[in-house]
Amino acid sequence: SAVISQKPSRDICQRGTSLTIQCQVDSQVTMMFWYRQQPGQSLTLIATANQGSEATYESGFVIDKFPISRPNLTFSTLTVSNMSPEDSSIYLCSVEGRTGEVGYTFGSGTRLTVV
Amino acid sequence: QKEVEQNSGPLSVPEGAIASLNCTYSDRGSQSFFWYRQYSGKSPELIMFIYSNGDKEDGRFTAQLNKASQYVSLLIRDSQPSDSATYLCAVELYMEYGNKLVFGAGTILRVKS
Repeated sequence: SAVISQKPSRDICQRGTSLTIQCQVDSQVTMMFWYRQQPGQSLTLIATANQGSEATYESGFVIDKFPISRPNLTFSTLTVSNMSPEDSSIYLCSVEGRTGEVGYTFGSGTRLTVV
Repeated sequence: QKEVEQNSGPLSVPEGAIASLNCTYSDRGSQSFFWYRQYSGKSPELIMFIYSNGDKEDGRFTAQLNKASQYVSLLIRDSQPSDSATYLCAVELYMEYGNKLVFGAGTILRVKS
């Protein structure tokens, strides 16, 4: 399966600031996915990022708050903007399996605490 | 109605018993179903997938799918304390721009030795 490097692994940020999370994949992938996992909750899809086009956001998530870049087929960033304590969560990137592989692989996650 | 529903638990079973985890989904067009295991502080890892009605076995794990009832289950035989984790049911949805995975709330499983 694809290997995903996600960083930072954790951060503590001041409210009102922004944090950019990076995901690097060891192979080219068409789509990359960004999820949020709030404390004690399951994974909620924020957006899907295709290379060369704007990300597609799920209901309740907007580009101004969570801008995404996808400059090539192996890399993506998610920015959490103008943070508030409610943004304290784990953020995960994910990719589909390679051709012939099943399922989706996840990065190790970024644990964000906003104070 | 949520797209994917699971009982959040916790489900407690004694060591050596069978753990049964259940999931229902709302999109009748869904074709692919996954079970992920997530240990505390870790990212989800895929343990089973199923596409066809019926049972699929892999070691101590059996996934069951009933598309008519929109129901997916995971059985864990000979449960071990190391199986204690959150089990996430996920359904793949097909959208105009590509596929996406939608997760249930997850069921916490505790295996007591």
